[in-house]
Amino acid sequence: GAVVSQHPSRVICKSGTSVKIECRSLDFQATTMFWYRQFPKQSLMLMATSNEGSKATYEQGVEKDKFLINHASLTLSTLTVTSAHPEDSSFYICSASSANTEAFFGQGTRLTVV
Amino acid sequence: GNSVTQMEGPVTLSEEAFLTINCTYTATGYPSLFWYVQYPGEGLQLLLKATKADDKGSNKGFEATYRKETTSFHLEKGSVQVSDSAVYFCALWNNNDMRFGAGTRLTVKP
Repeated sequence: GAVVSQHPSRVICKSGTSVKIECRSLDFQATTMFWYRQFPKQSLMLMATSNEGSKATYEQGVEKDKFLINHASLTLSTLTVTSAHPEDSSFYICSASSANTEAFFGQGTRLTVV
Repeated sequence: GNSVTQMEGPVTLSEEAFLTINCTYTATGYPSLFWYVQYPGEGLQLLLKATKADDKGSNKGFEATYRKETTSFHLEKGSVQVSDSAVYFCALWNNNDMRFGAGTRLTVKP
């Protein structure tokens, strides 16, 4: 299967700072990338869907000014958690797809805000 | 819209027991169906998939059959092992939209 690399795998940041998470498709061009959030012992919650070169579509209840998503190229999407607070601590997972094929997942990023 | 309903857990089984985790879906058209597995502290790994009705996905002793008439994709394994302990997610892919079930935590005891 295709490879999606997510970086960093773990990050600890201070409250009030911003954190950027990268999601790269290594061997295919990802026309669409998805960002999910997973709380402990819960399922994945879709946060937003981004298509290359256009603004992300956010799910209801997700603050777009809080979670900035950029999909500037066919191989890279970034999620920036702005002014992070402890309640933003979570496991964030990206996935990428091309031309209506299934999505492939990154390894996830565990964010801890202290 | 697209949605997935998955059997709630947790499920605890003894080694070599038979496993079934139920999954049903709602979708228009012809979705693809997946089972993903998540081990503690890790991301999701694709376990198996089926892209059309009556297809059977299989991997590592796990199987699931795409049943359009019952809109189901139940996961089965004839003899579970301790190493199968993980969280299992049923998922649907349709029209560039991917949705997950709530996840089922499986614990297999020796």
